[in-house]
Amino acid sequence: AQSVTQLDSQVPVFEEAPVELRCNYSSSVSVYLFWYVQYPNQGLQLLLKYLSGSTLVKGINGFEAEFNKSQTSFHLRKPSVHISDTAEYFCAVNTGGFKTIFGAGTRLFVKA
Amino acid sequence: DTGVSQDPRHKITKRGQNVTFRCDPISEHNRLYWYRQTLGQGPEFLTYFQNEAQLEKSRLLSDRFSAERPKGSFSTLEIQRTEQGDSAMYLCASSTGLAGVNEQFFGPGTRLTVL
Repeated sequence: AQSVTQLDSQVPVFEEAPVELRCNYSSSVSVYLFWYVQYPNQGLQLLLKYLSGSTLVKGINGFEAEFNKSQTSFHLRKPSVHISDTAEYFCAVNTGGFKTIFGAGTRLFVKA
Repeated sequence: DTGVSQDPRHKITKRGQNVTFRCDPISEHNRLYWYRQTLGQGPEFLTYFQNEAQLEKSRLLSDRFSAERPKGSFSTLEIQRTEQGDSAMYLCASSTGLAGVNEQFFGPGTRLTVL
């Protein structure tokens, strides 16, 4: 069975500072990895995904993530955050079927 | 608006009552998912439809829960004899193409409060 662990429940950061949101997964087979963002009162939307190929994946809004197979990690990074990045971020894993497993989420709070 | 819509956005009910939620997916999407999200947790898979066929139902889903997707378009999720533990956000998502690979598009959710 697959599982996803988001290591930080909340991450406060000042505007224009870099940020890293950590995600570790567990799976006995190859995985597809995703990061979704949820703004208040909105549905989740896809930030980026890793399917295969280059381990560095670039997404929307300046976010990127790096797939590390040996460490079973898929950490999300942004070099300079904005107030508007305040949201909840979910890491998710899928092994090619219809069932996607989501982590518990990390609340990013960007302070002025 | 061509996104996924859900109705109602909020539902308050008394324990023991039945409730029904509706999801309208993106029109060309053949895959539809229901999730439940409680405070401090990520979305938890409930059930999956490919067109009108319900292909998977989570073991977490008790017999009080039923979902349908007639004609492969909109879907309904019904909860019978609601319990306080059913209080949660119920999310619907849709996708097309390869399952597990393509992006899921989420609706805004229906927040259920059981008193």
